[in-house]
Amino acid sequence: DTAVSQTPKYLVTQMGNDKSIKCEQNLGHDTMYWYKQDSKKFLKIMFSYNNKELIINETVPNRFSPKSPDKAHLNLHINSLELGDSAVYFCASSQDSGLNYGYTFGSGTRLTVV
Amino acid sequence: AQSVAQPEDQVNVAEGNPLTVKCTYSVSGNPYLFWYVQYPNRGLQFLLKYITGDNLVKGSYGFEAEFNKSQTSFHLKKPSALVSDSALYFCAVREAAGGFKTIFGAGTRLFVKA
Repeated sequence: DTAVSQTPKYLVTQMGNDKSIKCEQNLGHDTMYWYKQDSKKFLKIMFSYNNKELIINETVPNRFSPKSPDKAHLNLHINSLELGDSAVYFCASSQDSGLNYGYTFGSGTRLTVV
Repeated sequence: AQSVAQPEDQVNVAEGNPLTVKCTYSVSGNPYLFWYVQYPNRGLQFLLKYITGDNLVKGSYGFEAEFNKSQTSFHLKKPSALVSDSALYFCAVREAAGGFKTIFGAGTRLFVKA
C-alpha cells in the first residue's frame, strides 16, 4: 500500500502549457504539503494545507495554485509553465504538524519544461 | 526566521568506520530538529527528531544525532557505516512556536566505500 502517491511520476511538457500534479495519502493524516526540489537538490516548501485549509503559502508565482478537495488529496496546478519550473515536486503529509513522526513523502514528480 | 546549514556537500567514509554528517541551525526560540534520508529517485524518509529531553536521540537504521544547544548543532552519527547508507541526507528545523513550516538544509551526500 502506497502511503503518499503522486501522479504522474514524470511529466514533460512545453513552455506555456498548463499542467496538474495529483497527490493522495491513505494515512489518515490531516496536513499535506508541496515541496519543490531543484537540480541542486535544494528543497523549498511551497504550500501546506491542514484539514483542507491553506496554512502555508510561500512566495511562489501565482501561476501555481494548490487545491485540496478533501484531507486525503492535495493537487498542484501550474499555469503557463516556464523553463524554470523544471524540478522534482514532492508531496508530503503529516499528522498535525509532524512533530512525532515527521513527514511522509511521496516519490516525487519530475517535471521537465522544454 | 529559521534556517539550517549543512556545511559539507559530500562526506566520504569507509565501510565499518564511524560517520558524522554535520548540521547547524538558527531559530528565534526553541528548535525542533529532524533528519531525513533520500535514496535515488525516492522521496525523503524520516530518520529521527529532537523535540526536547536527552541531547542524544536515536533513530532508524542505527542512526543517532546529538543536539548541542550552545553550538546550535544537530550532527547525525552512526558508529559503523554500511555501503547501503550511501544516500542524500537532509537536516530540517522548525521553530517551536513556528507552526507547520519546516525548513530543510541543502543536503549532504554520504558515500560509503566498501
